[in-house]
Amino acid sequence: RKEVEQDPGPFNVPEGATVAFNCTYSNSASQSFFWYRQDCRKEPKLLMSVYSSGNEDGRFTAQLNRASQYISLLIRDSKLSDSATYLCVVNKGGGYNKLIFGAGTRLAVHP
Amino acid sequence: NAGVTQTPKFQVLKTGQSMTLQCAQDMNHNSMYWYRQDPGMGLRLIYYSASEGTTDKGEVPNGYNVSRLNKREFSLRLESAAPSQTSVYFCASSTGDRDYEQYFGPGTRLTVT
Repeated sequence: RKEVEQDPGPFNVPEGATVAFNCTYSNSASQSFFWYRQDCRKEPKLLMSVYSSGNEDGRFTAQLNRASQYISLLIRDSKLSDSATYLCVVNKGGGYNKLIFGAGTRLAVHP
Repeated sequence: NAGVTQTPKFQVLKTGQSMTLQCAQDMNHNSMYWYRQDPGMGLRLIYYSASEGTTDKGEVPNGYNVSRLNKREFSLRLESAAPSQTSVYFCASSTGDRDYEQYFGPGTRLTVT
């Protein structure tokens, strides 16, 4: 079983739609959680951290459920520029070398 | 501000050939990393360096060696390339206190035939 699992998609949505991605992780000792964004044939970039209380950054909302070992990312009012692959990332703890990347969920926003 | 740079961008090797992937960062970061990314899999850590002069193995180090030449530069060497090493290789760096925020280079697409 992969340590971080994501639905690979693709999620095809029209502009303006709301879309949600989920991610599960297997290590209950994981300490911190993040979403990275990766455009096609580009490098990953940090999108946002995920806090237990949930957090928003503009149209993006991230949620963490430690009991279910589940992380989500909600994108409201989707834009064409949101088309990318979204990587769920878990820090297992024990040092900076312990980021575990999911394989990513691909989002395609169409006009 | 260039951030993290990698060379080359593309490379084709024959089985058994060797090559070195170069990485440099200009953000004065202490930590540097090498990852590989394969279809359907997440980024996997090959080697990392917490500071100049130190290197440690990650999840998939076999077949690779690294050198932290100075604070700016971290190179990855394939001594005898194999088709299983066909992948996209990313170098990344981070500060000591925010190591979860890693800054990635543009990647090197390597094909081994």
